[in-house]
Amino acid sequence: QSALTQPPSASESAGQSVTISCTGTSSDVGGYNFVSWYQQHPGKTPKLIIYEVTKRPSGVPDRFSGSKSGNTASLTVSGLQAEDEADYYCNSYAGARTWVFGGGTKLTVL
Amino acid sequence: EVQLVESGGGLVQPGGSLRLSCAASGFSFRNYSMNWVRQAPGKGLEWVAYIGFVTSFIDYRDSVKGRFTVSRDNARNSLYLQMNNLRDEDTALYYCARGTNWAFDSWGQGTRVTVSS
Repeated sequence: QSALTQPPSASESAGQSVTISCTGTSSDVGGYNFVSWYQQHPGKTPKLIIYEVTKRPSGVPDRFSGSKSGNTASLTVSGLQAEDEADYYCNSYAGARTWVFGGGTKLTVL
Repeated sequence: EVQLVESGGGLVQPGGSLRLSCAASGFSFRNYSMNWVRQAPGKGLEWVAYIGFVTSFIDYRDSVKGRFTVSRDNARNSLYLQMNNLRDEDTALYYCARGTNWAFDSWGQGTRVTVSS
């Protein structure tokens, strides 16, 4: 149950795109198409923004997209807006009804 | 509207016990799996425990196995986490989270647990 690996921080200018990576193993990210991503603003509750690698819940802007290749999943935020500045966490199902989160990435919109 | 409201947190000494509760409303609780997820101060999210809508399906992260017990009462639309033999490293904000499509689609506001002498 080792945490997935995310970069601690990322930054990009408003209007541009940024991609956050999430690296696991063949026992979690690489083994299942059950990667999800969460956005958490300071002092707020996490919010699901991507599930099953690429799917967006109702109400999540299509500026948010997900993908996966091998043991690495990615979240891309296009057309960055000031309100996208937050912490982002990836999560993967790891088998036997267990899940594992990444360490989180602090996104700064310049 | 889905609502999850946690309670039961507090300050406890190492080795002590606490029972967290999560009251659910706005959805058919008995039809959903539920989870506990925690976040230590200034740290990331950490999955803690899962209970299926079929309560025979239960699992925990390794560090809490044998100390924590998750349960649910579908008649009361409630989720519980019994935490025994608490350690300093269990200090965190504990969220209950609804499980859907192998993800956590709704979260409560959390209840804070502090383990300290």
